[in-house]
Amino acid sequence: DSGVTQTPKHLITATGQRVTLRCSPRSGDLSVYWYQQSLDQGLQFLIHYYNGEERAKGNILERFSAQQFPDLHSELNLSSLELGDSALYFCASSALDSGNTEAFFGQGTRLTVV
Amino acid sequence: KNQVEQSPQSLIILEGKNCTLQCNYTVSPFSNLRWYKQDTGRGPVSLTIMTFSENTKSNGRYTATLDADTKQSSLHITASQLSDSASYICVVINTNAGKSTFGDGTTLTVKP
Repeated sequence: DSGVTQTPKHLITATGQRVTLRCSPRSGDLSVYWYQQSLDQGLQFLIHYYNGEERAKGNILERFSAQQFPDLHSELNLSSLELGDSALYFCASSALDSGNTEAFFGQGTRLTVV
Repeated sequence: KNQVEQSPQSLIILEGKNCTLQCNYTVSPFSNLRWYKQDTGRGPVSLTIMTFSENTKSNGRYTATLDADTKQSSLHITASQLSDSASYICVVINTNAGKSTFGDGTTLTVKP
């Protein structure tokens, strides 16, 4: 158990809908990262938050948004969902903002868009 | 465009044998390079983290090497076990942007 909690574990929704994925980082970790992993594809970095502030953006679509709350949990909002958004969405956390600190991954949320 | 390329794409070995996975990258500037192990449908687990100045780092039966001049890294697994069957992912961190670039991974299958 990495200490990073993601909910829900599975989500099935229809095209055009909006969903929210939740991530609770390890206790004391200030950084939260979101990644997308489509079927048989590699992980794609989406976005990084540190202590409530956005630090870096990767290949995140405009239909997607994220935020980190004062209690440090984070939410990833996916709207106007398309079939191609079906994927595993991972959250990771690390103690600091530095890229040299180890990141711990949650078990992911599997999103299926039908 | 920053890229991380891993080879081979997949590998099958017999239990007890050694193997080496490769990672070539063009990410610049470079902060650190990480190797992760990902079991199917689960989150990646960190194996090693190496900064620019480190040439080698071990974690049990896993040994990672880094040549920052040629921008190459390798992950060597000794005395493989059935539980080593997984995807091994190389990740390079870009210092300036704080972004992570992931390789597509090498899928390792260890057979009895």
